[in-house]
Amino acid sequence: DAGVTQSPTHLIKTRGQQVTLRCSPKSGHDTVSWYQQALGQGPQFIFQYYEEEERQRGNFPDRFSGHQFPNYSSELNVNALLLGDSALYLCASSLMIRGWNQPQHFGDGTRLSIL
Amino acid sequence: KQEVTQIPAALSVPEGENLVLNCSFTDSAIYNLQWFRQDPGKGLTSLLLIQSSQREQTSGRLNASLDKSSGRSTLYIAASQPGDSATYLCAVIDNTDKLIFGTGTRLQVFP
Repeated sequence: DAGVTQSPTHLIKTRGQQVTLRCSPKSGHDTVSWYQQALGQGPQFIFQYYEEEERQRGNFPDRFSGHQFPNYSSELNVNALLLGDSALYLCASSLMIRGWNQPQHFGDGTRLSIL
Repeated sequence: KQEVTQIPAALSVPEGENLVLNCSFTDSAIYNLQWFRQDPGKGLTSLLLIQSSQREQTSGRLNASLDKSSGRSTLYIAASQPGDSATYLCAVIDNTDKLIFGTGTRLQVFP
């Protein structure tokens, strides 16, 4: 049973570029959440997708956008990259039951470095 | 706004010691609290989930307690081993249904 998989594992970009990160949820899960973890910090919630729609969003600018596909996989897009976007981006999947997410399972993340 | 704090930020102990990691949160209206382990450069591994109606959860050498009224949780690690070396994160879920993390405790257990 495959867990949450993320690609790529590492990525190097320059300021102003755009990036797309991908996530495949754990089998049987229908909800995907994205988190940003800066070095030495705890993860910060970016947004959550359910039924192909953004269900809720954290305190991140519109440069951060996402998408969920019919097979529940998800993408995180970041435009106009800034040096401060350098971080580990984590994807978590869960199953929505009666309006609440069951425990979230995390992937190993994508390490994004901005030069 | 919910804020989660973890103390200490770092801890270095000899193998075999019993440890207590602390987590505090400012808003007691949480639905559950979860402890995670993170190895360097890796994702998060869930260790224990305590629902708001529970007081504690145990898994092997790990025991987590929750006191909602005081806004505190502790993770107790018995007989620590070098393989326990990692960063330990606590996170709460409130009525917004998202995880709110602390900054973690970096644990090193030396032989």
